[in-house]
Amino acid sequence: GAVVSQHPSWVICKSGTSVKIECRSLDFQATTMFWYRQFPKQSLMLMATSNEGSKATYEQGVEKDKFLINHASLTLSTLTVTSAHPEDSSFYICSARPESGANVLTFGAGSRLTVL
Amino acid sequence: GNSVTQMEGPVTLSEEAFLTINCTYTATGYPSLFWYVQYPGEGLQLLLKATKADDKGSNKGFEATYRKETTSFHLEKGSVQVSDSAVYFCALAHSGNTPLVFGKGTRLSVIA
Repeated sequence: GAVVSQHPSWVICKSGTSVKIECRSLDFQATTMFWYRQFPKQSLMLMATSNEGSKATYEQGVEKDKFLINHASLTLSTLTVTSAHPEDSSFYICSARPESGANVLTFGAGSRLTVL
Repeated sequence: GNSVTQMEGPVTLSEEAFLTINCTYTATGYPSLFWYVQYPGEGLQLLLKATKADDKGSNKGFEATYRKETTSFHLEKGSVQVSDSAVYFCALAHSGNTPLVFGKGTRLSVIA
């Protein structure tokens, strides 16, 4: 079945540094990937839609310069949290839709970021 | 706009109890409906889906029926197990390359 891999699954960084999270579709090509952020108490917020070969589409209220998204190939999208602060600590989840998916999204296992 | 509302948790049940998690939606047209499950420390996994009115999705003893007249997609299971303890998310999506719209999730704890 379709698999989406995220790396790292867990990262701790100091305030002010940048962190890159990778999202790979392992056995299918994904022209579009979606990045979600999961807040405490479970709710999932769509951050942006990552489009291969073009700029990402950000949701209202998401800072483009802080959350840099690059979708350089059909199997890889990256999210870089720049100048991270403690309030950026969260669980970040990417997802992609296999072409045969009939609207089904496959999710990565998530990346937990803790900013000290 | 599109939105999903699900019952707030946490829900705590004894093993073998009957489970219902309510989900209603607001959407234009005819979206596809989904239930995703998130086990502790993991990402989301598709549990079941339905793509048109009156479809019933089922998997692992869970089922949900797409009810257009009540705009609902309630999740049910006749006899829960401890291993069903997780967070359950109701979601919708329209056709095309559109993202899912999620409910806030419902945490289920099943005790032996």
